Amino acid sequence: QKEVEQNSGPLSVPEGAIASLNCTYSDRGSQSFFWYRQYSGKSPELIMFIYSNGDKEDGRFTAQLNKASQYVSLLIRDSQPSDSATYLCAVWAGQGAQKLVFGQGTRLTINP
Amino acid sequence: DTGVSQDPRHKITKRGQNVTFRCDPISEHNRLYWYRQTLGQGPEFLTYFQNEAQLEKSRLLSDRFSAERPKGSFSTLEIQRTEQGDSAMYLCASNPGGRGYSGNTIYFGEGSWLTVV
Repeated sequence: QKEVEQNSGPLSVPEGAIASLNCTYSDRGSQSFFWYRQYSGKSPELIMFIYSNGDKEDGRFTAQLNKASQYVSLLIRDSQPSDSATYLCAVWAGQGAQKLVFGQGTRLTINP
Repeated sequence: DTGVSQDPRHKITKRGQNVTFRCDPISEHNRLYWYRQTLGQGPEFLTYFQNEAQLEKSRLLSDRFSAERPKGSFSTLEIQRTEQGDSAMYLCASNPGGRGYSGNTIYFGEGSWLTVV
């Protein structure tokens, strides 16, 4: 089982709608989780992190964490064409949680 | 610019040649990471350093790959006898160090694109 799994998509959402991106992880001991956005040809940039169960909101973005189900999600409200990108879920893993492990990413397209 | 800096940004090389990439991390960041990313995949961990010490290296990493961080500042990643399968974006990232929790994340450079022909 991979340490972090995401649906690779592509996910297509109309402009103004809510985009929902999902991620599962295998290590029950994982404590902090990250969402990165990556535009085509660019490097990943951090958009959110979460380490407590429940929701964390930052502008149009909401991260949700359910440790019992080992599930992390990212919601993007009022989706804009500029949100079209690949979204990467990441978690600290390995012995001593020393390396950040990424899922394969979900490609999101916002249709005007 | 005080972010992570990588050089060169693009490299085209012939199969069998050696290539070297350089990374300058954010100042005072103790940890430095190398990742490789191919099209449609997430970044794949290669190795990381705590100061000058290389603490972990991916089992997937061929012995043609070597990384150094001699003075605990910049790092180099060398690929010897390149193969077409080495074509990818090589990402460097840095982190202040310490326990990996509570938002202690890594910050990426712009990446170095390698094309092996």
